[in-house]
Amino acid sequence: EAQVTQNPRYLITVTGKKLTVTCSQNMNHEYMSWYRQDPGLGLRQIYYSMNVEVTDKGDVPEGYKVSRKEKRNFPLILESPSPNQTSLYFCASSPWPGPGGGYTFGSGTRLTVV
Amino acid sequence: AQKVTQAQTEISVVEKEDVTLDCVYETRDTTYYLFWYKQPPSGELVFLIRRNSFDEQNEISGRYSWNFQKSTSSFNFTITASQVVDSAVYFCALSEAGEGDDKIIFGKGTRLHILP
Repeated sequence: EAQVTQNPRYLITVTGKKLTVTCSQNMNHEYMSWYRQDPGLGLRQIYYSMNVEVTDKGDVPEGYKVSRKEKRNFPLILESPSPNQTSLYFCASSPWPGPGGGYTFGSGTRLTVV
Repeated sequence: AQKVTQAQTEISVVEKEDVTLDCVYETRDTTYYLFWYKQPPSGELVFLIRRNSFDEQNEISGRYSWNFQKSTSSFNFTITASQVVDSAVYFCALSEAGEGDDKIIFGKGTRLHILP
């Protein structure tokens, strides 16, 4: 089944403890992206990647890192999480070099930082 | 700059009524793509439709239909004979093919309640 798999689905962590949210897609998509969703603010892009080893900042990259060492994987790294990073996170991939082909989203990761 | 406005924050209708969700967009590009996504209470984001700027034909898929009008920069979504399972947040989105082709911009969403 064609899908984007995010893990974990739910995570509660403490301030400052490094964490990684994994994202993997099995559709051979070149483009991948991370979004966060917050009440009243909607979906905002954190980082995106047009291809392996090519990543760039989105609208809200502060406090996050990403890497794209393989086409299928695009992990989101929070080196020192803070409470303002409590959010619902989505990974997405697109079949085109850019997002115009439409996103397939992962199921989301609900992160709470205390 | 690209922008998507969903003026209706929340709508409630009784089951079997028709309901239209409005979406107005702004872009300077002549080539762009419009989308609708559904987010049910379970939280995942489900792709519903993609339209390119050169295709203004209305689309119908079962009880769902979409009206794309470039003259008014609108891409409205109608659910006919609504059902309780249609209750969700619906997002309209825009992706430009030119300079802004690195992201999809989402509207703030319309929360739809279908009352039994």
